[in-house]
Amino acid sequence: AQTVTQSQPEMSVQEAETVTLSCTYDTSESDYYLFWYKQPPSRQMILVIRQEAYKQQNATENRFSVNFQKAAKSFSLKISDSQLGDAAMYFCAYRSRRVNQNFVFGPGTRLSVLP
Amino acid sequence: KAGVTQTPRYLIKTRGQQVTLSCSPISGHRSVSWYQQTPGQGLQFLFEYFSETQRNKGNFPGRFSGRQFSNSRSEMNVSTLELGDSALYLCASSAQPAAGGRHYEQYFGPGTRLTVT
Repeated sequence: AQTVTQSQPEMSVQEAETVTLSCTYDTSESDYYLFWYKQPPSRQMILVIRQEAYKQQNATENRFSVNFQKAAKSFSLKISDSQLGDAAMYFCAYRSRRVNQNFVFGPGTRLSVLP
Repeated sequence: KAGVTQTPRYLIKTRGQQVTLSCSPISGHRSVSWYQQTPGQGLQFLFEYFSETQRNKGNFPGRFSGRQFSNSRSEMNVSTLELGDSALYLCASSAQPAAGGRHYEQYFGPGTRLTVT
């Protein structure tokens, strides 16, 4: 069974600085998707960024980018120019490309942004 | 396009009662998944429905059940509530893979906060 690990339960970053959140996963499959989701306090979970395992190029979405290391099974999220609104729980998630498979989420990292 | 909606948003029940939560997916999405979120256990997968059929099930007791209707709306039911069932229940919908489409992305609803006393 696949597992997702986020080794940093909490992190903090100064406003305007850069922070990297770590995620590792375990799978025997070669074709899958990886996601980062953001859950602000008392607000809805939203998709931040998505990576397809067959793509070597790292995904980017504005200030958010990933460092996808397939061989190391690592999928870190970099947030540049951190803003107060980035404060949230961040979940790393894995989804096999095979049908009838469910998402597997990591335990989350709580990010605080300091003014 | 309207997002995923969940009703009710908050619910207080007593032990032994049963509860039904509702989820309306994004229009056109046929897959609905349910998750239980607690501070200690994180996000735990409950089950997934697609075209009115349960496609996947997590490791939860039989007290947790669900169903999906022909319009893709889904309900989950918890019978004989226990204190440990207090949690945020999240519903997520996704479209089915299509050539060139954004496969398997899940879109979450705001959740139903269930408190069992």
